[in-house]
Amino acid sequence: SQQGEEDPQALSIQEGENATMNCSYKTSINNLQWYRQNSGRGLVHLILIRSNEREKHSGRLRVTLDTSKKSSSLLITASRAADTASYFCATDAKGSNYKLTFGKGTLLTVNP
Amino acid sequence: DAGITQSPRHKVTETGTPVTLRCHQTENHRYMYWYRQDPGHGLRLIHYSYGVKDTDKGEVSDGYSVSRSKTEDFLLTLESATSSQTSVYFCATESRLDTEAFFGQGTRLTVV
Repeated sequence: SQQGEEDPQALSIQEGENATMNCSYKTSINNLQWYRQNSGRGLVHLILIRSNEREKHSGRLRVTLDTSKKSSSLLITASRAADTASYFCATDAKGSNYKLTFGKGTLLTVNP
Repeated sequence: DAGITQSPRHKVTETGTPVTLRCHQTENHRYMYWYRQDPGHGLRLIHYSYGVKDTDKGEVSDGYSVSRSKTEDFLLTLESATSSQTSVYFCATESRLDTEAFFGQGTRLTVV
């Protein structure tokens, strides 16, 4: 079964608002990553957070990691219509023999 | 797209025929992955490779085989295609385990 599960499955907001997506996972991890996918395209890496980190920032992105709850959140501030995409979390589980596994994704729609 | 090329980009094949998808990378990345993406399931790992001739199964490997005879190429073979294997297939590469993965543009496979 998939390691990560994103929540919510779909999110619709207005331009300028913040968007928060959550990811829960099942087993201990080495790191957790967030990816973005525009419709019909491949995935693009956004940010990586290691298991010993609690928060990381990259531009308008803020990622938190709570290993005790096995969860992560991705915050996109001041959203733009161009942020409309699906967002996936991916985990590199400890003892997984190099497997990078993804959740089902959150579809974010930012309305102009 | 970090020098990852998937071929073909689109294919329609008949049930029962063998199909081979190719992933070619120019980045000299050690790790390579094959995923399938289906509505409601997100990305699911089929097979992965952690070096030349070193491969292992992912979560949905039944009906698929892979080969990696050189660093730059990772082949995915559907031994006898079935309609349930209609999907979009993505290849990804990773230089090290704690770095980002790079994705190809995907192959849309339809089995009729």
